Amino acid sequence: GESVGLHLPTLSVQEGDNSIINCAYSNSASDYFIWYKQESGKGPQFIIDIRSNMDKRQGQRVTVLLNKTVKHLSLQIAATQPGDSAVYFCAERDTGGFKTIFGAGTRLFVKA
Amino acid sequence: DGGITQSPKYLFRKEGQNVTLSCEQNLNHDAMYWYRQDPGQGLRLIYYSQIVNDFQKGDIAEGYSVSREKKESFPLTVTSAQKNPTAFYLCASGGRIQETQYFGPGTRLLVL
Repeated sequence: GESVGLHLPTLSVQEGDNSIINCAYSNSASDYFIWYKQESGKGPQFIIDIRSNMDKRQGQRVTVLLNKTVKHLSLQIAATQPGDSAVYFCAERDTGGFKTIFGAGTRLFVKA
Repeated sequence: DGGITQSPKYLFRKEGQNVTLSCEQNLNHDAMYWYRQDPGQGLRLIYYSQIVNDFQKGDIAEGYSVSREKKESFPLTVTSAQKNPTAFYLCASGGRIQETQYFGPGTRLLVL
């Protein structure tokens, strides 16, 4: 299949372990953040989002943490499975803006 | 079955030829977007449309054109003026108020 993320940072984890993927965002005015998962040759899939009035949000097996002081976002995946192998990227958007800025992504590789 | 569809999955362009990529959504979203994805880079915005019969240039609009005659459809034409068209093209849609963008499966454009 096609590779959508050559030369990306790579995180390799053992199946069953927890994964933490980090993202530094650029705009201090950004107030909405999204994590996407992209498998090879496919479109990005929405995972979870968070607004700037929160510092933590949990979904099913995923948690997003937001640190506005240092403009840092992280995605935690609990009990990582082989099906979690993909490129993960964060996106940011500012108040009233129609433009979303996407990071280049991190490739997660899960070892069985 | 709701969602965003893109066609074709693969498209081949000859030098000097214009090609059109299709994007259709049945999510009743007002806003639609076109992005280009190159290996190791984040998504770059080509064009976006907030409402029918209106669209705006994104960061890399040169060599591309769009139309928005129907709410459900936002086709992208890659013209002969685009000198480096080989990429993975992603269409997305989102509501005006609901800011999350949802992506289609993508079209890979290759130059013969």
